[in-house]
Amino acid sequence: EAGVAQSPRYKIIEKRQSVAFWCNPISGHATLYWYQQILGQGPKLLIQFQNNGVVDDSQLPKDRFSAERLKGVDSTLKIQPAKLEDSAVYLCASSLAGTSTDTQYFGPGTRLTVL
Amino acid sequence: AQSVTQPDIHITVSEGASLELRCNYSYGATPYLFWYVQSPGQGLQLLLKYFSGDTLVQGIKGFEAEFKRSQSSFNLRKPSVHWSDAAEYFCAVGAVTGGGNKLTFGTGTQLKVEL
Repeated sequence: EAGVAQSPRYKIIEKRQSVAFWCNPISGHATLYWYQQILGQGPKLLIQFQNNGVVDDSQLPKDRFSAERLKGVDSTLKIQPAKLEDSAVYLCASSLAGTSTDTQYFGPGTRLTVL
Repeated sequence: AQSVTQPDIHITVSEGASLELRCNYSYGATPYLFWYVQSPGQGLQLLLKYFSGDTLVQGIKGFEAEFKRSQSSFNLRKPSVHWSDAAEYFCAVGAVTGGGNKLTFGTGTQLKVEL
């Protein structure tokens, strides 16, 4: 079974530029999550989708971050404009139904460096 | 709001020695608890999870964890560590939000294994 795919794996940009990350969840998984993992910290949930609807985006900095999940499959996370403090690993995860007992499966992440 | 504390940032053990990684949580209701492992350049992999029932939970790779409600702890153990266990370990507590499963992670414990 293919896992969660993410691209690119690494990205270096200058502050105030824009950047986008892509995620392809495990086939059949209805729930998709984006996490931000700053160096030395645990992952922090940014946004959760159930199919193509948003369940939780309370920690997404909406003035600069946006995410979409068209057709309930792939998802993109965008940052515009980027700030130095956005340097982090962005992890995508998916789960079958998004219930409390579901296991979340994580992709390898995209490491973003903002100069 | 839920929170997780992992008091040990770094731990070094000799190969073949036993291991215990500490995790304390704060959550108002019955917690859903998880341990994930993250190897360099890899996404997070689930080791084990606790929802209810037997407080001693068995996971993959020979790991186990014990839920102690009175101590608000969910410590991870392994009787004999292998060099391949060197990685970062994250404890997480799950909370239901709008039908989803939001994970709140600790800051992680970096495990080094001496040969």
